[in-house]
Amino acid sequence: DTGVSQNPRHKITKRGQNVTFRCDPISEHNRLYWYRQTLGQGPEFLTYFQNEAQLEKSRLLSDRFSAERPKGSFSTLEIQRTEQGDSAMYLCASSLPVTNTEAFFGQGTRLTVV
Amino acid sequence: AQSVAQPEDQVNVAEGNPLTVKCTYSVSGNPYLFWYVQYPNRGLQFLLKYITGDNLVKGSYGFEAEFNKSQTSFHLKKPSALVSDSALYFCAVRDRIGAGSYQLTFGKGTKLSVIP
Repeated sequence: DTGVSQNPRHKITKRGQNVTFRCDPISEHNRLYWYRQTLGQGPEFLTYFQNEAQLEKSRLLSDRFSAERPKGSFSTLEIQRTEQGDSAMYLCASSLPVTNTEAFFGQGTRLTVV
Repeated sequence: AQSVAQPEDQVNVAEGNPLTVKCTYSVSGNPYLFWYVQYPNRGLQFLLKYITGDNLVKGSYGFEAEFNKSQTSFHLKKPSALVSDSALYFCAVRDRIGAGSYQLTFGKGTKLSVIP
């Protein structure tokens, strides 16, 4: 499968714990995005990488959130001191470095904070 | 700031009938417009996009969408609905330049139910 891969698919954690998600984009895509989707809502933009550089961050990305893409390939999204409000589906997407292209999404990581 | 409105939370249509899922948008410049579909416990799948040119865009699985600049709309259509089309549909916009040019802004989604 050469699509966007996200791991784990599901994560249940206790409030206050740290969690880390991984995203492997389509190999030739140098743009990578993280979105968050809560029940009944559309995905909301969190952050964007071009190669290893994090070029844009949403105000939704509080200080407890950090994303990295150290070698311009896979990316990780870490949430520290999780809160119940962090429960959501975290979606990763990637695209070619062309302005008019579409983004391809992974299947997401569903986080439940108990 | 860019925004998308999908005025219908749910659309019900009989199998074989035409379907329309509505979308209107707001963006400061000229938009790129997209439709995605989401099946239960799955990620978003790209259906079609409007970049420039012909206002009628054809996409996957027999779907098409019509871009109307004066009405700032990008409604999704299909001439004959299938039960397998039942899913959650999202409209999204991206600005061509500026701060919004990297991020997609999505609507809240419309649940399409095709009744056999």
